[in-house]
Amino acid sequence: DTEVTQTPKHLVMGMTNKKSLKCEQHMGHRAMYWYKQKAKKPPELMFVYSYEKLSINESVPSRFSPECPNSSLLNLHLHALQPEDSALYLCASSQTRGTGGAETQYFGPGTRLLVL
Amino acid sequence: QKEVEQNSGPLSVPEGAIASLNCTYSDRGSQSFFWYRQYSGKSPELIMFIYSNGDKEDGRFTAQLNKASQYVSLLIRDSQPSDSATYLCAAGDTGRRALTFGSGTRLQVQP
Repeated sequence: DTEVTQTPKHLVMGMTNKKSLKCEQHMGHRAMYWYKQKAKKPPELMFVYSYEKLSINESVPSRFSPECPNSSLLNLHLHALQPEDSALYLCASSQTRGTGGAETQYFGPGTRLLVL
Repeated sequence: QKEVEQNSGPLSVPEGAIASLNCTYSDRGSQSFFWYRQYSGKSPELIMFIYSNGDKEDGRFTAQLNKASQYVSLLIRDSQPSDSATYLCAAGDTGRRALTFGSGTRLQVQP
């Protein structure tokens, strides 16, 4: 089973709202990722968690706040977003090897976010 | 700046033909390479990964890697209209747990 689930599927929020995106996997993967994808563009890495610790933050604005409560769950807290933050937000997970480096990433279905 | 380059397409092939998708990468240290298929409005779906020079076959799909030329390709045999999608090539980022994605090639299979 290579399933990564994400909720909600769609989200509309105003610029003053606070909302959260949730991602879950039960494959025993210890690396989890958040990506942002705009139309006709490739996924753009935002954050990487490895063994529940934040290992990569790609200079993402602080209005996006990731959280990894346990090895199966990944959240992305959203606050004071801008209309240009409207995009498909993808979660992914992968196994980890002690040597580091890139493993096969499995993507969830994504949350389509619209900021008004 | 680590880069993965793909022709954006569209690449148009008739049903039953072989579709050939190509990708070059700049980081000579990359060890792992991935092909994802993405239908419009959906998330990327893993097609294949390849780590070693040469060919790797899985059903109708063959991935080819040439590290000396820094070149990865994906061949789709007996192309079907359902293969019409954007194909993303990704290279493993040396030393950290991340992928560098190409901009994708849009494939259109004509019935």
